[in-house]
Amino acid sequence: DSGVTQTPKHLITATGQRVTLRCSPRSGDLSVYWYQQSLDQGLQFLIQYYNGEERAKGNILERFSAQQFPDLHSELNLSSLELGDSALYFCASTWGDRGNLLFFGEGSRLTVL
Amino acid sequence: ILNVEQSPQSLHVQEGDSTNFTCSFPSSNFYALHWYRWETAKSPEALFVMTLNGDEKKKGRISATLNTKEGYSYLYIKGSQPEDSATYLCAFMGYSGGGADGLTFGKGTHLIIQP
Repeated sequence: DSGVTQTPKHLITATGQRVTLRCSPRSGDLSVYWYQQSLDQGLQFLIQYYNGEERAKGNILERFSAQQFPDLHSELNLSSLELGDSALYFCASTWGDRGNLLFFGEGSRLTVL
Repeated sequence: ILNVEQSPQSLHVQEGDSTNFTCSFPSSNFYALHWYRWETAKSPEALFVMTLNGDEKKKGRISATLNTKEGYSYLYIKGSQPEDSATYLCAFMGYSGGGADGLTFGKGTHLIIQP
């Protein structure tokens, strides 16, 4: 158990809908990363937050947004969902804003029908 | 788009043999290189972070080396055991003017240890 909690574990929804994925980092960690893993793809970096502020941005679509709240939990919002958004979404946390090893949650599997 | 390449994509090794695989990454604007172990149906588990050229890290039978000038890192497993079967991921963090960039992962080396 890494100490990182992601909810929901599984989510099935329809195209055009909007979903929110939630991540609670390990106790004491200030940084949260979001990754997407699609079929046959590696982990694609989406976005990083550190202590409530956006720190780095990867290939995150405009339909996706994220935030980190004062209690340090983070949410990834996915809107106008398309079939291609079906993937495993991982959250990872670490204490610093750069360089430190990440601790991954178990992921949220999103299926868009 | 950062290019982080891992080779080989997959590897079959006999139990007891030693093995190694490679991660290639940009040699400029280096900040850190990570290694993770990812077992099927689980989440990636941290192994090492390396930040200095020439760094060597060891954890049990697994070790890693780093060459930032030429942009590669090797992961070694000595005396492979069936429980070493997993996908091994490397991840590169660069440094731009605004600070460290996000962590970019390679696609991994899928290691299968055959009894």
